[in-house]
Amino acid sequence: QVQLVQSGAEVKKPGASVKVSCKASGYTFTTYYMHWVRQAPGQGLEWMGIINPRGGSTTYAQNFQGRVTMTGDTSTSTVYMELSSLKSEDTAVYYCARNGNIAVAAYPEFWGQGTLVTVSS
Amino acid sequence: QSALTQPASVSGSPGQSITISCTGTRSDVGSYNLVSWYQQHPGKVPKLMIYEVTKRPSGVSNRFSGSKSGNTASLTISGLQAEDEADYYCSSYAGSGTLVFGGGTNLTVL
Repeated sequence: QVQLVQSGAEVKKPGASVKVSCKASGYTFTTYYMHWVRQAPGQGLEWMGIINPRGGSTTYAQNFQGRVTMTGDTSTSTVYMELSSLKSEDTAVYYCARNGNIAVAAYPEFWGQGTLVTVSS
Repeated sequence: QSALTQPASVSGSPGQSITISCTGTRSDVGSYNLVSWYQQHPGKVPKLMIYEVTKRPSGVSNRFSGSKSGNTASLTISGLQAEDEADYYCSSYAGSGTLVFGGGTNLTVL
């Protein structure tokens, strides 16, 4: 069965960077795109971007361009999301989510458990 | 990429049907049959309920159905049950490899 296991909660100071990992299992890692989605406390879902683990190509949401970097390691079936220049507004639960099909990167289907990132001085 | 527009809240009694709308633009909902719906209970991970406008993943009740007309997609839940009380989010492919979510709708089962 598809499993996505994310790294643990983080507390960071404003201006710092955070790197969240997401280890995949139960399927062929390079076959499916991986999305990153975040959810601030009491707020809705916000799409951050997507990575194709085969080759590492990425597409980022306009709101995060210049601040986010998504990478993948095929040797460990792990994707990473690094967000820099953190602000208090970046406090949120960050999710990785595998796309539902191999053809169009249009819907996250399987979700990690989420990683809480708290930005506070 | 502006968020899709959903009503903040809807409610219904057990056994009734409700519909949640999701309004986008010609650049997202109107251009692609790639609308999805997610259910999220408090403190839980989102769960895919509908994809590609009308399709249900394995295991999702057939009480959930999706549709689209022009720039607006809809999620209908029939035979409301207490367990359906949750937040619901729509999403749409928006071209150039991007995705956009709606602001979410809180469903209350009275």
